[in-house]
Amino acid sequence: AQSVTQLGSHVSVSEGALVLLRCNYSSSVPPYLFWYVQYPNQGLQLLLKYTSAATLVKGINGFEAEFKKSETSFHLTKPSAHMSDAAEYFCAVSQTGANNLFFGTGTRLTVIP
Amino acid sequence: EPEVTQTPSHQVTQMGQEVILRCVPISNHLYFYWYRQILGQKVEFLVSFYNNEISEKSEIFDDQFSVERPDGSNFTLKIRSTKLEDSAMYFCASSENPNREYEQYFGPGTRLTVT
Repeated sequence: AQSVTQLGSHVSVSEGALVLLRCNYSSSVPPYLFWYVQYPNQGLQLLLKYTSAATLVKGINGFEAEFKKSETSFHLTKPSAHMSDAAEYFCAVSQTGANNLFFGTGTRLTVIP
Repeated sequence: EPEVTQTPSHQVTQMGQEVILRCVPISNHLYFYWYRQILGQKVEFLVSFYNNEISEKSEIFDDQFSVERPDGSNFTLKIRSTKLEDSAMYFCASSENPNREYEQYFGPGTRLTVT
């Protein structure tokens, strides 16, 4: 079975501060892990994905995530928050042999000017 | 840039009524998906579809649900007799290939409210 847990349904950061959104996964086989972002009134957009290559994955808009097997984590970070980063962020996992995604409950990021 | 579109953006219906949610996937994509998100809960996989057949479905996708590709562009989700618990945001997605290395592109969603 596979699942993801996102700690913190709401995260607020000041503009220019570090963004850290947490995701822990559970998977019985090596997972593929994804971060999606949803801006208001838009669809889910892929930020980045881990597919068993490099453990540090760089995505769009300056975001990156590190796969840590020992911690079963895939936290999303950005060194300096921008106002345009305000959105809902979803962590997701898929496993070998299936292409359906299992999502977390999402984290709403607010950026304070 | 190509995008997945969904109509309507909001749908309000009475319990027991049939609803059809519509999606237009990206034109060269062959694999289609429906997900839903009940308010405050996880985005959940419902069904995947390829070559006019269901590829996978979750436990949620019971006999009340059906999917169809009625023409070359639309992909629909039908709920035959809606229940209050069907109230959710429904997302359509499409991909070129079912391999999980290929990105699933999501639409903006349809918010379904069952009263």
